[in-house]
Amino acid sequence: QLQLQESGPGLVKPSGTLSLTCTVSDGSISSSSHYWVWIRQPPGKGLEWIGSTYYTGSAYYNPSLKSRVIISVDVSKNQFSLKLNSVTAADTAVYFCAREKWDLLRFVYFDYWGQGSLVTVSS
Amino acid sequence: NFMLTQPHSVSESPGETVTISCTRNSGSIASNYVQWYQQRPGRAPSIVIYEDSRRPSGVPDRFSGSIDSSSNSASLTISGLKTEDEADYYCQSYDNSNRLFGGGTKLTVL
Repeated sequence: QLQLQESGPGLVKPSGTLSLTCTVSDGSISSSSHYWVWIRQPPGKGLEWIGSTYYTGSAYYNPSLKSRVIISVDVSKNQFSLKLNSVTAADTAVYFCAREKWDLLRFVYFDYWGQGSLVTVSS
Repeated sequence: NFMLTQPHSVSESPGETVTISCTRNSGSIASNYVQWYQQRPGRAPSIVIYEDSRRPSGVPDRFSGSIDSSSNSASLTISGLKTEDEADYYCQSYDNSNRLFGGGTKLTVL
């Protein structure tokens, strides 16, 4: 069964860069039928899609975050990563990595999720 | 972009049926499929309905989904409520390359 695991610092200073990595196990990140996704959830609030990437490196982002986000892929390590710069307290959230299932060249749903990683922005 | 609006909370008794709505504020609800995710406290979300009304394998048939063009909304219905259904439920859709979530509905089974 596919597994995803987030890793990275749990504390980031304001104006700094948030960096997280998602390691994919028991499955290949080079799948033609899937995208790889970052989603976040501020404490006590709802889910927010951050962006998605294909194994080729092609990515698309939430317009509200696009100017601050980069999602990249490392096929050799079966990992994908998130970088969010110029962070503020509003970026404090649980960050989930997930897999996006595609069929017939269109999005279907998020089928596998990591357990989530809490990142706090504070000095 | 459009927005998806859900009620903040709903509650119902065990054994009863509850329906959670998800209203799209612009464009047709039928233009893009709607998904529903269940999130129990401290856990990652998991899919319960995709493509408006389809159930992934392993999801009980007590869960069903539908859309209503007249109200421009999607609905998740859970019948025969169990205490284990108590969770947050999120609708989700997409527009071009964007993915959008509703604000979530807290279901209390009491």
